[in-house]
Amino acid sequence: KNEVEQSPQNLTAQEGEFITINCSYSVGISALHWLQQHPGGGIVSLFMLSSGKKKHGRLIATINIQEKHSSLHITASHPRDSAVYICAVSRNYQLIWGAGTKLIIKP
Amino acid sequence: DVKVTQSSRYLVKRTGEKVFLECVQDMDHENMFWYRQDPGLGLRLIYFSYDVKMKEKGDIPEGYSVSREKKERFSLILESASTNQTSMYLCASSRGLAEGTDTQYFGPGTRLTVL
Repeated sequence: KNEVEQSPQNLTAQEGEFITINCSYSVGISALHWLQQHPGGGIVSLFMLSSGKKKHGRLIATINIQEKHSSLHITASHPRDSAVYICAVSRNYQLIWGAGTKLIIKP
Repeated sequence: DVKVTQSSRYLVKRTGEKVFLECVQDMDHENMFWYRQDPGLGLRLIYFSYDVKMKEKGDIPEGYSVSREKKERFSLILESASTNQTSMYLCASSRGLAEGTDTQYFGPGTRLTVL
């Protein structure tokens, strides 16, 4: 079993829909990261959080340390949000990566 | 803005060739990382370096070596390329802050095809 599990693997939605991507982990961590990868390869860090909730524009990330679970939400989704969203956890100065969720937003 | 650059976006090599992938960061970061990314497997750490001339094996170091002679540059070397090393290679760097506070910054990736 992977130490970081994301769901769903693939998600297709219509523009404007509220999107939720989930991440569960099975190890002790010091922080959890959400990253975005657009077609072509480049990866950008969206959030790093160790408790509670963070918001940036239309993106919201939450974490529940007791349940070892995090969610990434996108409000009012737009085709430009189409990307792979990756969850990773910090442990022993390294990152343990989820396999990613491929999100497609249709106009 | 942190900038991490990789020497090539696309590379095609033949089996048995020695391959060099270069990564340069311009923000005086302590830590540098090499990952490979394959469909369904996510990112896997090959090697990382926390200081000049220092290196640590990641999860999948076999078939690879690295070099960090200068702080800003971290090279990944495929001693004898094989077809199963066809992949997307991503370099990252980070400041080396306390555990749980460090953010990694990624280069654009090199898509390597070994024929």
